[in-house]
Amino acid sequence: GAGVSQSPSNKVTEKGKDVELRCDPISGHTALYWYRQSLGQGLEFLIYFQGNSAPDKSGLPSDRFSAERTGGSVSTLTIQRTQQEDSAVYLCASSFRTGNTEAFFGQGTRLTVV
Amino acid sequence: AQTVTQSQPEMSVQEAETVTLSCTYDTSESDYYLFWYKQPPSRQMILVIRQEAYKQQNATENRFSVNFQKAAKSFSLKISDSQLGDAAMYFCAYRSGIQGAQKLVFGQGTRLTINP
Repeated sequence: GAGVSQSPSNKVTEKGKDVELRCDPISGHTALYWYRQSLGQGLEFLIYFQGNSAPDKSGLPSDRFSAERTGGSVSTLTIQRTQQEDSAVYLCASSFRTGNTEAFFGQGTRLTVV
Repeated sequence: AQTVTQSQPEMSVQEAETVTLSCTYDTSESDYYLFWYKQPPSRQMILVIRQEAYKQQNATENRFSVNFQKAAKSFSLKISDSQLGDAAMYFCAYRSGIQGAQKLVFGQGTRLTINP
């Protein structure tokens, strides 16, 4: 695609429910990243994929959070038993390779847990 | 672990004037990359400028330039001839140069307002 696509754009869910957030990276980009941005805060790293494997998942805040990537393309971030503190904007980015290459970001999914 | 600090939560500038956003970082590495990203209300992060630590020359992209002071671990962004479209959140970010190290570490951001 032309850019990184995330869906849904907005999601409201009840506390305790599971949610899935989707990221469709730029075609050909092997690296994919998930970040979380809480209100008024910077971006918190969650997980990084190279192809289908996740060499760095150090930012996942708890075992309620998981992510997978299939076919070296689409990634899904799953949050189980959502809590109010999970409310945030979840941003996905992709890049072609390492080093100083630009990471292209999607527009994010705003998750609200009520 | 690397950290990035932006000490100015908010800045404002008159249209057509120049503004400088501050960023400092902490690292023990000698090889790394620094970035400034812009986040307008649409939420999409846009790369403004990047700097390789091994380059002494400061990066420049049109009206945007950086003042990279490696010894002081400082990486400020200067916006010249400010335009209304420059209004946004600006984030400074660090990426290690170690092979396999991929994540960007972000500062807390500076909200820039442009006054007409």
